[in-house]
Amino acid sequence: QSALTQPPSASGSPGQSVTISCTGTSSDVGTYNFVSWYQHHPGKAPNLVIFEVSKRPSGVPDRFSAFKSGNTASLTVSGLQAEDEADYYCSSYAGRNTVIFGGGTKLTVL
Amino acid sequence: QVRLVQSGAEVKKPGASVKVSCKASDHTFTNYGLTWVRQAPGQGLDWMGCISAHNEVTTYAQTLQGRVTMTTDTATTTAYMELRNLRSDDTATYYCALTTVGTGWPLDIWGQGTMVTVSP
Repeated sequence: QSALTQPPSASGSPGQSVTISCTGTSSDVGTYNFVSWYQHHPGKAPNLVIFEVSKRPSGVPDRFSAFKSGNTASLTVSGLQAEDEADYYCSSYAGRNTVIFGGGTKLTVL
Repeated sequence: QVRLVQSGAEVKKPGASVKVSCKASDHTFTNYGLTWVRQAPGQGLDWMGCISAHNEVTTYAQTLQGRVTMTTDTATTTAYMELRNLRSDDTATYYCALTTVGTGWPLDIWGQGTMVTVSP
């Protein structure tokens, strides 16, 4: 299994929106509606911001939204704030109780 | 909400084994699945495998098959991950994480991470 494909970097100014893509295959993202997204500040544990393609856990602001089309999932962060600067990882269920992560995207708030 | 606390940093020599623990704050831990994820320095997140806390059914990443064992002790609400025959590229921060929401193993509760360094 190869990692899901994410762009290495993304950026936006405060208040703007940025979208991060996550491309898999018909064996993972394309088949299962079990895509998750994590925000990871270096030195801290990752934080789940989206699960099951587009659901937000309790406490995650609605500035975070996501969807999936075919083999590609996308995370949009709206109204960018300084604290959104972090690494973002997607993951997908890949069958037989296995999960695959994306390579990560470093989001910079300009 | 259940919390996870992991054991402290480890330094090991190549060929040795390491066992990382992950203690849950209460017995609701047994209702959930637990996943181990690692992150090598400068690299992304790497899924290692998962275990169902109530019946200890495990699934491991193919790349780690034969070197990793994941277990749980429901009496002490502690999960363990043992990695054997350590190599330098096993140097990483190791995380345990629980799935308490949704389906498809989203990881919503994380331990603080355990740094494992493999060095001659």
